[in-house]
Amino acid sequence: QVQLVESGGGVVQPGGSLRLSCAASGFTFSTYGMHWVRQAPGKGLEWVAFIRYNGSSKYYADSVKGRFTISRDNSKNTLYLQMNSLRTEDTAVYYCAKGRSDFDPWGQGTLVTVSS
Amino acid sequence: DVVMTQSPLSLPVTLGQPASISCRSSQSLVYSDGNTYLNWFQQRPGQSPRRLIYKVSNRDSGVPDRFSGSGSGTDFTLKISRVEAEDVGIYYCMQGTSITFGQGTRLEIK
Repeated sequence: QVQLVESGGGVVQPGGSLRLSCAASGFTFSTYGMHWVRQAPGKGLEWVAFIRYNGSSKYYADSVKGRFTISRDNSKNTLYLQMNSLRTEDTAVYYCAKGRSDFDPWGQGTLVTVSS
Repeated sequence: DVVMTQSPLSLPVTLGQPASISCRSSQSLVYSDGNTYLNWFQQRPGQSPRRLIYKVSNRDSGVPDRFSGSGSGTDFTLKISRVEAEDVGIYYCMQGTSITFGQGTRLEIK
């Protein structure tokens, strides 16, 4: 079955960096665009970034543009989110989701806490 | 940016009674290919979001038929014909063209 498993979350100080991974299985990863979406504690869903199936185009929310970089390795069926210059407001559960407009399924999420 | 506005934000419902959630977009969601990319998601407490409905009215596999989606243009609705205890959670609409989510509607049992 289709499965997405995020990892790489943790506690980091403001200004620090973190790289999240999303391991995909059960489908042909190289043919699907992928998203990152985050959810701050007790808040709603916020789209973060999207990458096309072949990595040729990438899109970002204004709130992370210039600080976050989405990438993928189709040979490893893995999606990444490199997060630099982290701020306290980046604290959230980060989810990956499959498909350009599908958003199906979602992973279980990985928690990123930015705190001094 | 396309703004998605849900109402109500809190929805107390008696078991077995119907429920309805409205989602309005600030502009038409009809895409150039003729499709309307409007999805509905359910997030149960402590879980990841799960897609229920895609392209306005198509129910995902495994989703009970008491869930239905309808609407067009800028006005969309998710209906639950008879609420069950397992339906408790937060429901989000999402437009899939430039990707924005509604604020979420919290459904609880009265």
